Amino acid sequence: SQKIEQNSEALNIQEGKTATLTCNYTNYSPAYLQWYRQDPGRGPVFLLLIRENEKEKRKERLKVTFDTTLKQSLFHITASQPADSATYLCALDLGVSSNTGKLIFGQGTTLQVKP
Amino acid sequence: DTGVSQDPRHKITKRGQNVTFRCDPISEHNRLYWYRQTLGQGPEFLTYFQNEAQLEKSRLLSDRFSAERPKGSFSTLEIQRTEQGDSAMYLCASSLGRAFNEKLFFGSGTQLSVL
Repeated sequence: SQKIEQNSEALNIQEGKTATLTCNYTNYSPAYLQWYRQDPGRGPVFLLLIRENEKEKRKERLKVTFDTTLKQSLFHITASQPADSATYLCALDLGVSSNTGKLIFGQGTTLQVKP
Repeated sequence: DTGVSQDPRHKITKRGQNVTFRCDPISEHNRLYWYRQTLGQGPEFLTYFQNEAQLEKSRLLSDRFSAERPKGSFSTLEIQRTEQGDSAMYLCASSLGRAFNEKLFFGSGTQLSVL
């Protein structure tokens, strides 16, 4: 069956370091992958989208990679700040079989940046 | 505020009661999604609309759940004969509906507690 896995354990890092979050998937061939941020009691907020033919995407301190051979995406936050503390979700479409724009989400990884 | 609006933010009900949630998407968005999220998990897809047409329903959506989007504007999600297992955050999201790799804009959700 189709599966998306993110590190279920919280990631604790020191301010100023680079945070790296992982998203692995099986039995999917997504055309694109998205990353969202979610704060407690709020809905997810879109951060970045990367397509299957793109290896890397950057936006300010954020960087996403997408390796369709490894079936993995890495999400990096450089020069992390306490304000980056949140849960980060990866989301995939269902690939060529889907024409809905429907996204399937991983369970999320909680990042805690300590000052 | 022109984002996605959900009402109510919190709902406490007794088992067996019916509840209805409302979602107002961003005005020019044609596509509307409902997701459900439990603690420590990512959002799970429930159903989606393209304008007023409900095009897909997850098997998670039992016959106690019904969603409507009259006139392709706001949407309602009704749960009949609520059960304790229905306790969750119900998230609504919308997108433009012109392509299949669009980012989703989420509301803040309705937190349902079934006692």
